[in-house]
Parts: sequence; C-alpha cells; structure tokens
Amino acid sequence: EPEVTQTPSHQVTQMGQEVILRCVPISNHLYFYWYRQILGQKVEFLVSFYNNEISEKSEIFDDQFSVERPDGSNFTLKIRSTKLEDSAMYFCASSEASGRIYGYTFGSGTRLTVV
Amino acid sequence: DQQVKQNSPSLSVQEGRISILNCDYTNSMFDYFLWYKKYPAEGPTFLISISSIKDKNEDGRFTVFLNKSAKHLSLHIVPSQPGDSAVYFCAASRGGSNYKLTFGKGTLLTVNP
Repeated sequence: EPEVTQTPSHQVTQMGQEVILRCVPISNHLYFYWYRQILGQKVEFLVSFYNNEISEKSEIFDDQFSVERPDGSNFTLKIRSTKLEDSAMYFCASSEASGRIYGYTFGSGTRLTVV
Repeated sequence: DQQVKQNSPSLSVQEGRISILNCDYTNSMFDYFLWYKKYPAEGPTFLISISSIKDKNEDGRFTVFLNKSAKHLSLHIVPSQPGDSAVYFCAASRGGSNYKLTFGKGTLLTVNP
C-alpha cells in the first residue's frame, strides 16, 4: 500500500537553529499538508499546499515557517529559527482531491526536540 | 478554541464487546467528519468518514453515527479486538477550506483480552 515517508524520524536541534523536515507524499496525490502534535495535545493543522502554492495556513504558521516542493516529489517544512515551543511531532499528509471524504494519508511523523 | 471535543480521554472495554467513542462539535459549518486511529510512533490512520447529509455510515466492524441536531457523532466498534487498542481521533472538515481537518484531542481505547 502506498505510504507517506517522513525523514528524519527524530530531530534534535538547538534553539534558534533552522530545521528542515522532509516528506515524500504519495505520488499521485495532489494536496499536501503539515500538521503537528505537541505532547499531550491535539493534532493541529499548520498548512495545506496545492498546485505549488499554499492554499491555506493556520495562525500557527507564521513567518518562521515555510513549505516547499522543490523537485516534484519531496515536500519540506522549514522552521527558520526554532523555539522551545516548536518541540512537537510533525506529521506530513497527502490526499487526492477527495481527501476529506476518504481521508488523508499521514506519514509516521518527525519528532522535533528543541533544546 | 475547541471546535471538536472528545470528552473521554480514555475508554476500556472487554474483547468482543462494543466500543463506543464519542465526539461533539460546535461549528455548524462542518460538513464532513472523519475518524482516525493512531498507534504509538505512527501517524494517524484513516478509519471511516461521514457526510453531514447522512446519519450513519458502516464499514465492517466500524459504524459512525451522526446526530446533526445535537452536533454529536459516535464511532461504534463491534466486536472490539485487542488490536483495536489505540488513540482514536475525531476530525471535522468545513466546505471551502481546502480540506483542512480540525481534530479532537483523542480517546485512548484499551481492549482487554
């Protein structure tokens, strides 16, 4: 079964450093997403991406965040200057157009720890 | 801003019995509802969805019921199996939002053998 692949599985970084989280969505999917889950809290929407541009973003997704699909297969989330409160599990997901009916496919996540 | 609420953080049931997971929502603009299951160290896995124009959707052992007037939905698992032990998330989608999902906090289901 096709899957969404995320790397690395765990990233430790110092506060103020830049991190790039990588994702390979399912090849025929058109919509791409990043979500995060802070420990003990709910899964929160960050951003959706379609047709090479951001289609929607949450208030969490401020200027320190950016997304890119650099080569037609990878989908990346960059955090420019990490803060302690950015520590969370970050999930990439992808879907066909009917993703809200048949659901997204999520990756296994990248655990980001900011120290 | 808890638009999707799962008020039970945990639920424990015996193998073979019914598991009922509940979810409430406040935003009347939601028109699709989804349930996801999540095991530790994995991403959420889609289980079942329901449109707001329906009141029931069934897929094997999983049935989702929607009571739109009460803004309440529930997931029934019959019969429950030990492998169903996981965190279950309710999620909702609003038309015109490019498929953003709003999640509840989840309910940890434990199915005891």
